[in-house]
Amino acid sequence: QKEVEQDPGPLSVPEGAIVSLNCTYSNSAFQYFMWYRQYSRKGPELLMYTYSSGNKEDGRFTAQVDKSSKYISLFIRDSQPSDSATYLCAPGGSYIPTFGRGTSLIVHP
Amino acid sequence: DADVTQTPRNRITKTGKRIMLECSQTKGHDRMYWYRQDPGLGLRLIYYSFDVKDINKGEISDGYSVSRQAQAKFSLSLESAIPNQTALYFCATSGYSGGQEDTQYFGPGTRLTVL
Repeated sequence: QKEVEQDPGPLSVPEGAIVSLNCTYSNSAFQYFMWYRQYSRKGPELLMYTYSSGNKEDGRFTAQVDKSSKYISLFIRDSQPSDSATYLCAPGGSYIPTFGRGTSLIVHP
Repeated sequence: DADVTQTPRNRITKTGKRIMLECSQTKGHDRMYWYRQDPGLGLRLIYYSFDVKDINKGEISDGYSVSRQAQAKFSLSLESAIPNQTALYFCATSGYSGGQEDTQYFGPGTRLTVL
């Protein structure tokens, strides 16, 4: 079993939809959690960072962590075509970096 | 200018050729990494270096080697390229472990095709 499981999608939604992207992890040593966004033909870039269980909001994006269930979510409200990208979850706190496989999101007008 | 640069951006080569991918960073970070990305498999760590004198194998180091020429430079070599090394390669850098300093800063990637 991989340390981080993430459905690769693709997830296709209409503009304006609420999007939910999810990851599960198995290593209890992970202490903080990051989401990266990767546009086509680009390197991943940090989107959100959260340290504790609960919610963290940044504009249209909300990161949610449930450490008891080892479950990480990223919600996107009022999704836009410009949100079309691959989203990678990345639990942190282990010795070397760990990434989920990434979920491809397509927001169509 | 970009914080992490990679050269070349695209490369087509033949089986058996030696290839070097180069990476430079201006973040002043000690930690540097090489990943490959394949459809459906995500990012996989090839090698990582926590300082100039430290080199470590990652998940998939067979067929690859690296050189850390300076704090800012980390190159990846394929001694004898084979077709299943066709992939998108990323270099990344990060600060110290223990918090948001672990944020990875990625280069733009090198698309390598081995025929």
